[in-house]
Amino acid sequence: GAGVSQSPRYKVAKRGQDVALRCDPISGHVSLFWYQQALGQGPEFLTYFQNEAQLDKSGLPSDRFFAERPEGSVSTLKIQRTQQEDSAVYLCASSLTGRATEAFFGQGTRLTVV
Amino acid sequence: RKEVEQDPGPFNVPEGATVAFNCTYSNSASQSFFWYRQDCRKEPKLLMSVYSSGNEDGRFTAQLNRASQYISLLIRDSKLSDSATYLCVVKRSSNYQLIWGAGTKLIIKP
Repeated sequence: GAGVSQSPRYKVAKRGQDVALRCDPISGHVSLFWYQQALGQGPEFLTYFQNEAQLDKSGLPSDRFFAERPEGSVSTLKIQRTQQEDSAVYLCASSLTGRATEAFFGQGTRLTVV
Repeated sequence: RKEVEQDPGPFNVPEGATVAFNCTYSNSASQSFFWYRQDCRKEPKLLMSVYSSGNEDGRFTAQLNRASQYISLLIRDSKLSDSATYLCVVKRSSNYQLIWGAGTKLIIKP
């Protein structure tokens, strides 16, 4: 597709449930980022991939969060045993390289944990 | 204290007015600077990069003051369609990470 695609757009999960969020970046983009955006805040960095390699996962808030990009294209962010504080919009962005000046964002997945 | 700080909002401005946003950053290693725009319930989109000499794109002017670690965005002749949240973003020279401010909400009123 022409842009970054994320699915689902909305997800309601019961506390304790596992969720998987998908990101399909722009074709050919080497770098892929996951961000978490709480209401009224800017995006907070979660993790970064260069092709299939996860080079930085320092922003993942706990070991319940796991991300992968096995073939260097589509990425999945998994959250195990969801908690209410996980409620946020999860944004995926891709860029041609890590040094690129512009990152292109998907529309995000709005996760609500009830 | 956050690494990137912005003016608190919202700014309520009449159509046609000029509005200015300010942003300060604390890490002197920061090398690249951007303004992103985010519409309600949408993803952020790059508005413009900010260059050392200052730069202009139509009604939008961005300025950078490295000594004061300060970035600004000026919008002239504001339009209703300018209503959005404006996010100040900083990138360190040795890092791919984008560091985001919390954003300033702008509401243009007819």
